[in-house]
Formats: sequence, structure tokens, C-alpha cells
Amino acid sequence: SQQGEEDPQALSIQEGENATMNCSYKTSINNLQWYRQNSGRGLVHLILIRSNEREKHSGRLRVTLDTSKKSSSLLITASRAADTASYFCATAPASDYKLSFGAGTTVTVRA
Amino acid sequence: NAGVTQTPKFQVLKTGQSMTLQCAQDMNHNSMYWYRQDPGMGLRLIYYSASEGTTDKGEVPNGYNVSRLNKREFSLRLESAAPSQTSVYFCASRGPPGGQPQHFGDGTRLSIL
Repeated sequence: SQQGEEDPQALSIQEGENATMNCSYKTSINNLQWYRQNSGRGLVHLILIRSNEREKHSGRLRVTLDTSKKSSSLLITASRAADTASYFCATAPASDYKLSFGAGTTVTVRA
Repeated sequence: NAGVTQTPKFQVLKTGQSMTLQCAQDMNHNSMYWYRQDPGMGLRLIYYSASEGTTDKGEVPNGYNVSRLNKREFSLRLESAAPSQTSVYFCASRGPPGGQPQHFGDGTRLSIL
């Protein structure tokens, strides 16, 4: 069964707006990762946050992690048309060998 | 920078046929993975290889076999394809444990008629 669940399933925003998506998971983790998938392509790693971290930034991306609530959020600021993609959270257990993916959030950025 | 290369990109099979999906990585990674992606379900792990010479079952291994041929190559075999195996298959690789991301190929789109 999948560990992570993203919310919302789909999101449509205007170019320049911010996009926020959330991920909830069920069991304790070593780290949580966010990936992007453009249509017809493989997944591309965006950012990794470890269980002892609360917030992390990378360019226009901001990720938070709340281990007490078993949840994470991904914020994309000042969105662009090129940000149109599906976004997946993935959790790594203590052993850190395997990832468990959620079903993803599909983001559409309108010009 | 090739990264992770999957072949073929597309394939159509008839029920009962066999097929091997190939995956190769040039990043000297120890761990390699096979996933399937179905609409609305995200990625599900089929098999993985933590290091050369080892393979382990993932979440959905039934109907599949794998071979870690060497450090670079990890193949996935369907012995007798079924329509339920119609999916997009992704291979990934990763460096040593300790919070490393996985690197994905562009997938093989497989249809079983």
C-alpha cells in the first residue's frame, strides 16, 4: 500500500501565483522527497528533507515537514507555465533503501 | 549525461508473450529499482536491487522476475504477459544510503492485448 497521500489531486493556478500541495504519510520516516514528472517523462528529484529538519528551500521551492503530524507541504512560488507537471511526495523508511510514493498532485499553470 | 537509460520506449505484446525490459545506469550507483505507474496510483515498487548480486521483492512482484546483470544493468522480465501488466515501467538508480535521491529513466510504455 502507498505510504504517502497528496492533496489536492489537481490544482489549476494563474502564472505568477503560488502553488501549495500537501503530503500525509502513515509511518515513521528517514526522509521525505518531492519529485516532478512532466508529461511522458520520468520523475525528476526536486528536494529532500530529513526527518530532523523542519523546512528547506531550493530556488522557488519551499518544503516543510511536521513529523508530529506526519505531513509535508511543497510550495512553489511565482509559478511559471513550465511548472505544469505532476508532483509526487515519496517517503523513505528508516532502512532508507526503498521509497513509497503517493498518487501525486497535477498542477496546471495557466498563462 | 545519459543517466538512466531504458529500452525499449514502447512495446505492444499479446497475452502470454514474454518480454524483457532493459535498464542501464552510468552513475556508478549501487541500488537500482523497477516501478510501474498506473493512472491515479503513483509509482509502485516491483523489485529492487540494493547492491550488485542482490535482489528483493517490492510491493507488486507477482508476474515479474529481475536480473542484476552487473553494477550498471538491471532487467525486468515478464514471462507470460497479462493485460493487467499494461502500464508504464520506470527504472531508477541511487547512490549509497544516507538520504540520496533516486534518478529515473523516461520509462517503457507497455501494452498487453
